[in-house]
Amino acid sequence: ELKVEQNPLFLSMQEGKNYTIYCNYSTTSDRLYWYRQDPGKSLESLFVLLSNGAVKQEGRLMASLDTKARLSTLHITAAVHDLSATYFCAVDHHSGGSNYKLTFGKGTLLTVNP
Amino acid sequence: DTEVTQTPKHLVMGMTNKKSLKCEQHMGHRAMYWYKQKAKKPPELMFVYSYEKLSINESVPSRFSPECPNSSLLNLHLHALQPEDSALYLCASSQAVRAYEQYFGPGTRLTVT
Repeated sequence: ELKVEQNPLFLSMQEGKNYTIYCNYSTTSDRLYWYRQDPGKSLESLFVLLSNGAVKQEGRLMASLDTKARLSTLHITAAVHDLSATYFCAVDHHSGGSNYKLTFGKGTLLTVNP
Repeated sequence: DTEVTQTPKHLVMGMTNKKSLKCEQHMGHRAMYWYKQKAKKPPELMFVYSYEKLSINESVPSRFSPECPNSSLLNLHLHALQPEDSALYLCASSQAVRAYEQYFGPGTRLTVT
């Protein structure tokens, strides 16, 4: 069964600092997604990574995918308070027959302090 | 329009009640999903519908009964739930089941008393 491990699970940052969240997964996949969730809210899609070496950037966030290492990173540059949220990576994988499904990491609770 | 809508937003029900959750999308997506999310946990897949047919049931108890009346609608019928079923229920849709971005609805916050 696929395992998706995120670390750290809790991240407290100061505004203006940089940091990286890591997402490791245990089986072959070349499809990975990052989502953001604010407290009590639904999931907002941040990045869709569909091939080895994919890199995408939006504002202060940049995501990358290394399918050979089975690793994705979400890099935060010059953090601001508005980035405080829980971030999930999710791996798309074959689940038998013609079925595919997403398996989520446990999530990283990011708190950005002034 | 990338919106998935869900009703109701909040639902409180007793263990003997029967209720339904509703999900709707008008993006022409052919795959729809139900997830359950407990507090401080990731979403857990419950069901997947592909072209209006149930393709994945993640061994969900029969007190949860999904239905896909047409390509735009997805229902989750609830009966004889337990307090541990209290959670946020998220609906999602995607263009198809393989390697397409899933768009999530706002969720229904369910409390079972």
